[in-house]
Amino acid sequence: DGGITQSPKYLFRKEGQNVTLSCEQNLNHDAMYWYRQDPGQGLRLIYYSQIVNDFQKGDIAEGYSVSREKKESFPLTVTSAQKNPTAFYLCASSIARGTARYGYTFGSGTRLTVV
Amino acid sequence: RKEVEQDPGPFNVPEGATVAFNCTYSNSASQSFFWYRQDCRKEPKLLMSVYSSGNEDGRFTAQLNRASQYISLLIRDSKLSDSATYLCVVNANTGNQFYFGTGTSLTVIP
Repeated sequence: DGGITQSPKYLFRKEGQNVTLSCEQNLNHDAMYWYRQDPGQGLRLIYYSQIVNDFQKGDIAEGYSVSREKKESFPLTVTSAQKNPTAFYLCASSIARGTARYGYTFGSGTRLTVV
Repeated sequence: RKEVEQDPGPFNVPEGATVAFNCTYSNSASQSFFWYRQDCRKEPKLLMSVYSSGNEDGRFTAQLNRASQYISLLIRDSKLSDSATYLCVVNANTGNQFYFGTGTSLTVIP
């Protein structure tokens, strides 16, 4: 079955440590996205990529980095510069460039906690 | 001004009730509109797209009002399993980027 897979499901980070969240899709989608969701709040865009080897900052990119070396993969690194990283991280992908008629498909998310 | 605004609720309704949610958007050039459902501690899942002429999927009806820049979701004959947060999603006019509302919480009570 096609889908989008995030790992790990739960992640604990020590202060000052970088961690990388994995996102892989086999839907042949061009565009991929990373969102952050805090309790009781909406989704906020961190980074997105519409094509391999290209990505754009979203609304809250500071303290995060991404790469898009393969169409299927869009890993997110939460660096030590991100001062409040505890959140639910969601990866998504979408089928079409231009007008997005089909919405997003989301992964099941990664819960990151700073300990 | 936020790109997408929703009443956060919560909406607490009895089983069998009809409930409606509205969502307003700020960008008049937006072309694509969706309702997503998010269960507690889970990822959002696409509930339905919203078409210009309005559309229905079983007990769910979605409508778009471009003149007033809002979309709505109507749920008839509410079930306990409808309890969730409903997210309004609108695309930006730049490629595939979407804006999400903060969600409206619905609890259906026995």
